[in-house]
Amino acid sequence: SYELTQPPSVSVSPGQTARITCSADALPKQYAYWYQQKPGQAPVLVIYKDSERPSGIPERFSGSSSGTTVTLTISGVQAEDEADYYCQSADSSGTYQVFGGGTKLTVL
Amino acid sequence: EVQLVESGGGLVQPGGSLRLSCAASGFTFSSYWMHWVRQAPGKGLVWVSRINSDGSSTSYADSVKGRFTISRDNAKNTLYLQMNSLRAEDTAVYYCARDGVGWDWGQGTLVTVSS
Repeated sequence: SYELTQPPSVSVSPGQTARITCSADALPKQYAYWYQQKPGQAPVLVIYKDSERPSGIPERFSGSSSGTTVTLTISGVQAEDEADYYCQSADSSGTYQVFGGGTKLTVL
Repeated sequence: EVQLVESGGGLVQPGGSLRLSCAASGFTFSSYWMHWVRQAPGKGLVWVSRINSDGSSTSYADSVKGRFTISRDNAKNTLYLQMNSLRAEDTAVYYCARDGVGWDWGQGTLVTVSS
């Protein structure tokens, strides 16, 4: 089955830059999306189509893509950014959706 | 404002059935593909199923194929998930999501499969 691979955890100090990667073979063919989820809450979209930012999402959130890896970058991390982050995409046929295993961002 | 409100969760015995509903408002429901996603306690998001805008096409994760059925009633602006032959591993919060520019999510409904 198709899988997206994310690191389980990333830790940064406030004000630093956090980078969370997501890798899979079909990523050059399918867009990736990023969601932020805080405890007890539903996921919230922070990046769509690899690098687009929805309205209302702070400019410190950005996305990029290179080959089979997409990256979520949070510049100038704030305490409120501490959350789980999930990448999401589809298999090469577009039939099946898949989420990465999630990355817990800890702000030290 | 997009609103998605799930209902129908609860405690069910292994082998039992449950039907989840997702009431949609704030957008033209019949124009959007919809999904169900679940999250077991303390675990990550797992895609379950999707349905196209008119209900003519569906797909399922292997883990639920043959047991779960997704459907929609565009006249009632409601998405459904019929879950049969439930197992302990189906225990999770179930979210419905609108497939637009990225996905918009409901708040979820908890399904617990236990004897």
